[in-house]
Amino acid sequence: QITLKESGPTLVKPTQTLTLTCTFSGFSFSTSGEGVGWIRQPPGKALEWLALIYWNDDKSYSPSLKTRLTVKKDSSKNQVVLTMTNMGPVDTATYYCAHSRPRDGERAFDMWGQGTMVTVSS
Amino acid sequence: SYVVTQPPSVSVAPGKTARITCGGNNIGLKSVHWSQQKPGQAPVVVIYYDSDRPSGIPERFSGSNSGNTATLTISRVEAGDEADYYCEVWDSSNNHPVFGGGTKLTVL
Repeated sequence: QITLKESGPTLVKPTQTLTLTCTFSGFSFSTSGEGVGWIRQPPGKALEWLALIYWNDDKSYSPSLKTRLTVKKDSSKNQVVLTMTNMGPVDTATYYCAHSRPRDGERAFDMWGQGTMVTVSS
Repeated sequence: SYVVTQPPSVSVAPGKTARITCGGNNIGLKSVHWSQQKPGQAPVVVIYYDSDRPSGIPERFSGSNSGNTATLTISRVEAGDEADYYCEVWDSSNNHPVFGGGTKLTVL
């Protein structure tokens, strides 16, 4: 059974850097094909994909946010860490991590964490 | 970047069939995944790879995908099905996922 849980600050100030951690169980980065993604959702708005990290340490980022995002994994701790620099009020959102499953050259998020709400305000 | 389009809202009476669409250029050549999100909760996948149903998801949920439209069908709709539904596809040209804007399902 795959589970994921996000953790991090609930409030950050404008211009600060946000660091979120996703702690997971039920799969391992030692298995070929595994991946973890980050997705956010501003209040009342749609889902927006941010980043993906794969078992082989490959990474991909949303083109619109690429310059502000970094994703890393700690396989020994079953954790993935997302950092986002220069936070602003528009970055206020619930941030989710999710398990990414491959099949036939494509991928799907098949299990999501509960999400963590981050507010950007001075 | 690949774009997928969903209707903002769909309404259906209890016991009837709801159909929520996800449109995109030749989306039938891609795999489409559907998630249900109830207020204050995280998304839950109800259909993946066009028509596969995760364990625990009722058989009332089904999916299809052809041409330029993928469809999530919910049969015998219940009040508990009221939620936002999002489609997701893999943009193979850019190697990243794309989400639709979401559809709010209202059970009348």
